[in-house]
Amino acid sequence: GAGVSQSPRYKVAKRGQDVALRCDPISGHVSLFWYQQALGQGPEFLTYFQNEAQLDKSGLPSDRFFAERPEGSVSTLKIQRTQQEDSAVYLCASSLRDANTEAFFGQGTRLTVV
Amino acid sequence: QKEVEQNSGPLSVPEGAIASLNCTYSDRGSQSFFWYRQYSGKSPELIMSIYSNGDKEDGRFTAQLNKASQYVSLLIRDSQPSDSATYLCAVIPGFQKLVFGTGTRLLVSP
Repeated sequence: GAGVSQSPRYKVAKRGQDVALRCDPISGHVSLFWYQQALGQGPEFLTYFQNEAQLDKSGLPSDRFFAERPEGSVSTLKIQRTQQEDSAVYLCASSLRDANTEAFFGQGTRLTVV
Repeated sequence: QKEVEQNSGPLSVPEGAIASLNCTYSDRGSQSFFWYRQYSGKSPELIMSIYSNGDKEDGRFTAQLNKASQYVSLLIRDSQPSDSATYLCAVIPGFQKLVFGTGTRLLVSP
C-alpha cells in the first residue's frame, strides 16, 4: 500500500480483555515503531523492530504489552488484561532503512478501555 | 529534564505572519531531527527533517539546527489558518529511537 495501515481504527475493550492491534508498514520499509499517545501529549516510544528483530522494547509499560513482527513486515501489538490506563491512541510508524531515517505514521488505533 | 522540550503554547499569530516554533534537546549525541505536524484527531505528518547545522528551507517552512546550543526551530512564513495544528519536534538521540516533545499548538487567525 501507499502508506502505513493500522487496524482497527477504533477499539473498545472491557477491562481485563485482551486486544491485538495490527500495523502494515510501507512496503519495503525495514524499521517499524510503535508509539502510545495520550490526549494532549506527544507520542511515547514503545518498541522498535528492524526487520523481524525487536531491537528495543524499553518503552513497553508492563509485561502485559507484547509486540511481534515475525516475517519482518506486518506487526502486531498485543495488550493482555487491559486496564483503563491503557486507553490511548496507538501509533505505528515505518522507515525505509534504520531508525535514523524519516519515519511515516499510520492513522493510529484509538483504544478505549471501559 | 525531558529529552525533548517544547513550549506547549498556544502560539497565536495572524494570517500572513511568521510563526516561530522552538525545541531544545538534552542528548548532545543526537544526529537526526524532525518536525511533524499533527491536526486534531489525526496522526503525525512529517514536514521537515534536518541533520546538519544551519538552515534547511522547503517552501514556506525553514528548519534551523544549532547543535552547540542543542536547539532546533521551525519557521513558517506567510502563515495560513490551515497551518493551525500541533507541531511536534522529534529527535533521535544516541540510541536508535525517535523521541518526541509534547508539541506546540499553533493558532493562525484570519
